[in-house]
Amino acid sequence: NAGVTQTPKFQVLKTGQSMTLQCAQDMNHEYMSWYRQDPGMGLRLIHYSVGAGITDQGEVPNGYNVSRSTTEDFPLRLLSAAPSQTSVYFCASSYSRFYSSPLHFGNGTRLTVT
Amino acid sequence: ILNVEQSPQSLHVQEGDSTNFTCSFPSSNFYALHWYRWETAKSPEALFVMTLNGDEKKKGRISATLNTKEGYSYLYIKGSQPEDSATYLCAFNAGNNRKLIWGLGTSLAVNP
Repeated sequence: NAGVTQTPKFQVLKTGQSMTLQCAQDMNHEYMSWYRQDPGMGLRLIHYSVGAGITDQGEVPNGYNVSRSTTEDFPLRLLSAAPSQTSVYFCASSYSRFYSSPLHFGNGTRLTVT
Repeated sequence: ILNVEQSPQSLHVQEGDSTNFTCSFPSSNFYALHWYRWETAKSPEALFVMTLNGDEKKKGRISATLNTKEGYSYLYIKGSQPEDSATYLCAFNAGNNRKLIWGLGTSLAVNP
């Protein structure tokens, strides 16, 4: 049982480049989400999904796109990377969309935009 | 504006000490309170999800209580061990939105 698998672990981008952070879960979880972690700030929600075909914005969605074509996968796309997007990104999933069950986190992606 | 406060910000204890931290959250529209343990260079790992006023949960030497009427939760660690060193995060959901509001965490260091 792999849980939440997130790739890559590290990435360096130049300003203006695009990339996709991959997230997959094998627990048949309904809810999936992307967070970013910056020094001195709490985890901030970028986008989330409550099921295949359904996505919504979190607190800091600008500059990021998501899609949920299957229950298992929830990729995060950076269309034109900016230095302000340098951060550690976590994908997290949960059985329940209503936060009555715990989040399971991936191992994180450390992204640097130069 | 919904806000979650955790205190203290950091804590240093000796091996064998018992310790506790606080998570404060808005007392209106409570739905769920989460506790996570986050070790350096790893990802957050769920400890407890609490949904009822008066809830008490326990996992080994770690336990948590919940008071939704006054808006706080305590996390207790009995007989701290060096492997308990981590940041402990709490997160609150008001139920009327689909977002968890996260605290900044309490960083615990247990000296052997």
